[in-house]
Amino acid sequence: NAGVTQTPKFQVLKTGQSMTLQCAQDMNHEYMSWYRQDPGMGLRLIHYSVGAGITDQGEVPNGYNVSRSTTEDFPLRLLSAAPSQTSVYFCASTLDTSADYGYTFGSGTRLTVV
Amino acid sequence: EDKVVQSPLSLVVHEGDTVTLNCSYEVTNFRSLLWYKQEKKAPTFLFMLTSSGIEKKSGRLSSILDKKELFSILNITATQTGDSAIYLCAVKGAQKLVFGQGTRLTINP
Repeated sequence: NAGVTQTPKFQVLKTGQSMTLQCAQDMNHEYMSWYRQDPGMGLRLIHYSVGAGITDQGEVPNGYNVSRSTTEDFPLRLLSAAPSQTSVYFCASTLDTSADYGYTFGSGTRLTVV
Repeated sequence: EDKVVQSPLSLVVHEGDTVTLNCSYEVTNFRSLLWYKQEKKAPTFLFMLTSSGIEKKSGRLSSILDKKELFSILNITATQTGDSAIYLCAVKGAQKLVFGQGTRLTINP
C-alpha cells in the first residue's frame, strides 16, 4: 500500500499565484485532513473532510479551499498565495474518528511564497 | 475552543538521562490521545491512549493518561542521541485531531 501520498514535495510560489497541493490515499479512509506546521506552533488544522462531498473548516482556513469529490483524493488549493502561507503542509487520514484508529500522515509539502 | 498544551517547549539533556514530557488538554468529545515523534519529515506514531491509568510501553518509552485531570506524560528512560526529535501530543475529538505545540528534545552525547 502506498498510504498517503502528497505532491509536490517542494514548491516555490510568487505572491499572488495559485496552486493545488495534492493528497491521495489508497486505504479507503473516510476522514482526511490538511495541517500546516510552522516553527514552534505544532500542527494546525486547515480543513478536514469526513467523507466524499463533505468538508469543513479547521483552525486556520483563510486563504485555502478544499473539495472532496472522491474518497481517495483531498486537494488543497491556495487561491492567491501570500508569504504568510510559507509553511510545511501535511495531509493525514484515518479510517474513522472513533477512538480505535490512528492517523496516517503524508510526507509533507514544503511551500515557500516569495 | 479545543486546546492541547505541551511542556516544556524545549529540553536539552545528556545521553542516559530520563525525561518526562507533559501534555494537558481541553478537547470536546475526547476519543483518544496520541503521541508522535517527528524528526525530519512526517510525524511517526508512538502511542494511542484511551483509558486512564493504563501505561503503554515500547522499549524505553512509556506513556500514561489521566482523564480526570486531563493530561498525559511521555517518559523516555536512558535517552540516546537518536531520541532527539520533536515530540507531538495530539487529542482526537469528535471530528478533529488537535495538536499541541510540540516539545523539542535534544540529547547531547
